Amino acid sequence: DGGITQSPKYLFRKEGQNVTLSCEQNLNHDAMYWYRQDPGQGLRLIYYSQIVNDFQKGDIAEGYSVSREKKESFPLTVTSAQKNPTAFYLCASTTASYGYTFGSGTRLTVV
Amino acid sequence: DAKTTQPPSMDCAEGRAANLPCNHSTISGNEYVYWYRQIHSQGPQYIIHGLKNNETNEMASLIITEDRKSSTLILPHATLRDTAVYYCIVRVAGADGLTFGKGTHLIIQP
Repeated sequence: DGGITQSPKYLFRKEGQNVTLSCEQNLNHDAMYWYRQDPGQGLRLIYYSQIVNDFQKGDIAEGYSVSREKKESFPLTVTSAQKNPTAFYLCASTTASYGYTFGSGTRLTVV
Repeated sequence: DAKTTQPPSMDCAEGRAANLPCNHSTISGNEYVYWYRQIHSQGPQYIIHGLKNNETNEMASLIITEDRKSSTLILPHATLRDTAVYYCIVRVAGADGLTFGKGTHLIIQP
């Protein structure tokens, strides 16, 4: 079945360390997105990419970086510059104007 | 993007129709209304979207008022598994990313 796979489901990181969250899709979607969700809040857009080798900052890009070397993959790196990285991270993809497909998320905790 | 307003929470009895309202009084002519839902600790799930006509699929119906300033998502026969946060989003088709507010927490009561 087609879908989006995020890994790992849970991730623990020590302060000052960079960590990379994986997002892979086999839907042949052109556009991919990373969102952050804090408890009781909506989703906020971190980065998005509409084609390979191109990506744009979203509303809260500071402290994060991405790459889009393959159409299927859009990894997100949470750097040590991100002041409050503990959150639920969601990856999504879409074609043109249709509905977005989301992954099951990665819960990152800084210890 | 046009701003949306949703009630923070609603209750509905199992087996009854759940009607979730959304106000979007500043919607522009090329903006679609999208509905998603998020079950606790999972990724949001697409439900339905529309421009100006009413829409129906296997999950729900979307009723958009003639002036397009509000809409209602209808789950015709709610089950306990429909308990989730429902997000109403207004966005130009093909735009970059969706803006999710706090949504409506729908609780289906047995």
